[in-house]
Amino acid sequence: EAGVVQSPRYKIIEKKQPVAFWCNPISGHNTLYWYRQNLGQGPELLIRYENEEAVDDSQLPKDRFSAERLKGVDSTLKIQPAELGDSAVYLCASSLKTSTGELFFGEGSRLTVL
Amino acid sequence: GQQLNQSPQSMFIQEGEDVSMNCTSSSIFNTWLWYKQEPGEGPVLLIALYKAGELTSNGRLTAQFGITRKDSFLNISASIPSDVGIYFCAGQLIKAAGNKLTFGGGTRVLVKP
Repeated sequence: EAGVVQSPRYKIIEKKQPVAFWCNPISGHNTLYWYRQNLGQGPELLIRYENEEAVDDSQLPKDRFSAERLKGVDSTLKIQPAELGDSAVYLCASSLKTSTGELFFGEGSRLTVL
Repeated sequence: GQQLNQSPQSMFIQEGEDVSMNCTSSSIFNTWLWYKQEPGEGPVLLIALYKAGELTSNGRLTAQFGITRKDSFLNISASIPSDVGIYFCAGQLIKAAGNKLTFGGGTRVLVKP
C-alpha cells in the first residue's frame, strides 16, 4: 500500500515569492493534516481536513497561507508571499480515524526562504 | 495552549544500554503516543496508549500512560545503532478542540562516539 506522498521534497525560493506543496494521502483516509516542523522542534498543526471540510485551521496564518482539498483526496498548501520565517519542513499526514491519534506522515517538503 | 515537555532533549546511547525518556504536560490527555523520526523522513508511530496506567510494549520499546494522565515515558531496552533518531511524544484529548494532537519538542537519541 502506498504511503502519504508529498511533493516537492525540497524547495528554495526568495522571500516574497509564492510556493505550493502537494499531498496525496493514503487511499481511504478521510482525514488529512498539514503540519509545520521548525528545526529542532516537534510538528505543529496548521490545518486539518475531514474530507473536503477544514475542521481546524486555527493555527493557519491566513494572511499568507491557504490550503484546499477540493475533492476530499489530495491537498495543496500555498504560501504567498513567503517570508524568511517560513523556512521549515511542511509535513502532510493522513489518518483513518481521528480518535486514535494514529497519523501516517509523508516525508515532508523542506522549504528554504532566502 | 497545551504544551508537552520532553526530557532529556538529547541523549547519547551505547549499544546494549537501556534508555528512558519522558514527557509531561500541564493538561490531561486521553491518548498518549510515541513517534520516531529519522533524518529526511516523517514521524512514524511506535506505540499508542489509550488508558491511564496502561503499559504497552512493541519489541524492545515499552511505554506507559501515567496515572495522572499528564505524563508518559518510553523505554528502549538493549539499544542498537538503528535506535538513533528523534523521539516525539504526542498527546490527544478526545472531543476537545477536534481531537487535536499536540507534539512535544522531541528527544534526540545519538550514538556515543
